[in-house]
Amino acid sequence: AQKITQTQPGMFVQEKEAVTLDCTYDTSDPSYGLFWYKQPSSGEMIFLIYQGSYDQQNATEGRYSLNFQKARKSANLVISASQLGDSAMYFCAMRPGNFNKFYFGSGTKLNVKP
Amino acid sequence: DAGVIQSPRHEVTEMGQEVTLRCKPISGHNSLFWYRQTMMRGLELLIYFNNNVPIDDSGMPEDRFSAKMPNASFSTLKIQPSEPRDSAVYFCASSLARSGPSSYNEQFFGPGTRLTVL
Repeated sequence: AQKITQTQPGMFVQEKEAVTLDCTYDTSDPSYGLFWYKQPSSGEMIFLIYQGSYDQQNATEGRYSLNFQKARKSANLVISASQLGDSAMYFCAMRPGNFNKFYFGSGTKLNVKP
Repeated sequence: DAGVIQSPRHEVTEMGQEVTLRCKPISGHNSLFWYRQTMMRGLELLIYFNNNVPIDDSGMPEDRFSAKMPNASFSTLKIQPSEPRDSAVYFCASSLARSGPSSYNEQFFGPGTRLTVL
């Protein structure tokens, strides 16, 4: 069975500090992709970062990095130097195998405090 | 480049009426997805198409829901008859599906259609 779990419904972080959003997954496919999306209050879904299961290095995109621990089946999103505009819902997703189907977690609502 | 286009952006209708949501995927993309988002159930995949062919419709709630993709640049999601519990934000997403372990196949989402059924 394919499953994505985000255990933090909501989080607060002080502006300019780093924050880690947790994501664990479960799949029997040896090849899979892991994604993070941001959904601000305006509602659109914005792709942030991708990690492939065979990638040797953790993915980074600007202030976003993905802490990929394959043995633990975790793919945590790290946002460095938080900004007020980072306040949003964040969704972790997994694409198992060669299929196109994504499995999304329940999301984490991040609030950045000034 | 234009992203995924959805129409209408907002729809308010009365119970029992037919509702049709429309989606234009990104040009060149070969996969299209319909999602529904509610507070209670989160983001649910309803159906997805590869090369205009429905691949997985296991998420379609019931026979009241139907989706079509007559060509590579257009898809519809129809609810007939609509019910108050269908109130949600409906997203369309598209991707360029490529094989291989290094393929992202990331999905690009449209702005969504907020449906309210009274």
